[in-house]
Amino acid sequence: GQQLNQSPQSMFIQEGEDVSMNCTSSSIFNTWLWYKQDPGEGPVLLIALYKAGELTSNGRLTAQFGITRKDSFLNISASIPSDVGIYFCAGPTGNQFYFGTGTSLTVIP
Amino acid sequence: NAGVTQTPKFRVLKTGQSMTLLCAQDMNHEYMYWYRQDPGMGLRLIHYSVGEGTTAKGEVPDGYNVSRLKKQNFLLGLESAAPSQTSVYFCASSYPRLGNEQFFGPGTRLTVL
Repeated sequence: GQQLNQSPQSMFIQEGEDVSMNCTSSSIFNTWLWYKQDPGEGPVLLIALYKAGELTSNGRLTAQFGITRKDSFLNISASIPSDVGIYFCAGPTGNQFYFGTGTSLTVIP
Repeated sequence: NAGVTQTPKFRVLKTGQSMTLLCAQDMNHEYMYWYRQDPGMGLRLIHYSVGEGTTAKGEVPDGYNVSRLKKQNFLLGLESAAPSQTSVYFCASSYPRLGNEQFFGPGTRLTVL
C-alpha cells in the first residue's frame, strides 16, 4: 500500500530551538494533514492543507503543501516542553487514508 | 460533548477468542474509521464507513469485520484473535470527506496471547 515517509524519525532539541520535519510520498496527494499525538492519546489535528504551494500557520506551527503535491513540511518555532509528542502527516488518496510513520519530538528544558 | 469514545480501554485475549470494540461519536459525523497503530508503522486504516449501513475496506482489513448499524456507532470485530492483532486500536470520525479533519478516540490497547 501507500507509504508516507517522514523524516527525521526522531529529534532531540533544546527548548527554544526551531524544528523542521517533512513528509514525502510516491503518489500525489490533494490534501495534507498534520497531526500530533501525545502519549496514551489519539492524534489531534494541527494543520490542514488543501492546495499545492499553500503555506498555513497555527500559532508557532507552520506547514507547507509542496508544489509537486508529493511532499509537505512542518516547522515549529521556539519549541517548548509541551511540544513533546509524535507528529504525523496524513492524507487521502483514492478511497484510502494514509498516515506517515511519525516523527518523535523530545524537547529538553 | 464527549467527542469520540471507545470501549474498552484495555483488553487481553487468548488466541482464537473473539471480541468487539465499540466506538461512539456524538458529533453527528457521517464518516467513521478504525485504525491500528503499531510501533514504527504509524496508523493504518482497517475499515471505514461513509454513512449508516455502509462499510468499506481500508489498507489492512484481513481478520477484522465492522458494522455501522447506527450513525453514531462503529463496531470493530475480531472473530478469531491472533497474536499479530496485538496493537492499539483507534477510532475516528469526520464530516463527509476523506480529507476532512478526523477526530480520534483515546484508543484501545489489545494484547493477544
